[in-house]
Amino acid sequence: QSALTQPASVSGSPGQSITISCTGTSSDVGGYNYVSWYQQHPGKAPKLMIYDVSNRPSGVSNRFSGSKSGNTASLTISGLQADDEADYYCSSYTSSSTYVFGTGTRVTVL
Amino acid sequence: QVQLVESGGGVVQPGRSLRLSCAASGFSVSNYGMHWVRQPPGKGLEWVAVIWYDVSNKYYVDSVRGRFTISRDNSKNMLYLQMNSLRAEDTAVYYCARGRGDCSTTSCYTDYWGQGTLVTVSP
Repeated sequence: QSALTQPASVSGSPGQSITISCTGTSSDVGGYNYVSWYQQHPGKAPKLMIYDVSNRPSGVSNRFSGSKSGNTASLTISGLQADDEADYYCSSYTSSSTYVFGTGTRVTVL
Repeated sequence: QVQLVESGGGVVQPGRSLRLSCAASGFSVSNYGMHWVRQPPGKGLEWVAVIWYDVSNKYYVDSVRGRFTISRDNSKNMLYLQMNSLRAEDTAVYYCARGRGDCSTTSCYTDYWGQGTLVTVSP
C-alpha cells in the first residue's frame, strides 16, 4: 500500500495550463478506472474535483480535466486562477479492495 | 443538504483508546459505503478504512488493521472509528467521507467530507 507518486510542486502563471501526474502500479491506477482527484485549501477539508478518471462533479469548473494512460493518471488545470492555488491529491482503488492516496502536489499561481 | 460532522478527537496517551464519531445528515449511511481518512499535521492524506453499505465488508490500511475498527449505527445515522493501542504516528486530523459506487460495475470515489477531528497521541 505505497502512496501514489505525485510531484511535490507545480506552478504556473494566471491563464496558463498545468498538469499534475499521479503514478501508481497495475494493482491500483493501472488496474482500474477509479482514479479521483481532490483539492485542499489550507485548513479545509478536501474537495472532490474529478472522479472515475475523467468525470467532473456538478459545480466543478470545466477548467479541470482528468485522464489516464497505463499506470499514470493526470489532472490538468487550464486557465489557471488565483483560487486554484492549493494542494491536490489523487486517489485510486486497489486490488486489495482498499484505497490509496497520492503524495500530494502543491500548486502555486505565480 | 449532505453534512458530515466528526467528533471525539483529543489528546490521548500512547497505548490508550479513543472512539471517533461521525454524524451524517441529508442522507442515510445505510445506503452508502463510508470511509475514514486521516492527515498528520503538515502531511498528506492517508486512507484508513471503509465499511461497505451492506456492512458485509470492512477494509483497513495495513498500519491500523487489528487496532482500529470501523462501524456504523444506521438507527442513529452515525459512523464510528474505534482506535485501540494508539501510537504517536496515529496523530492526525481524521475525516469521515461518503463513498459512491460499488468499485466493481459502477463508480468508486468519495464525494462529501466532514471538517475533521484532531487526534493527538502524546505522553
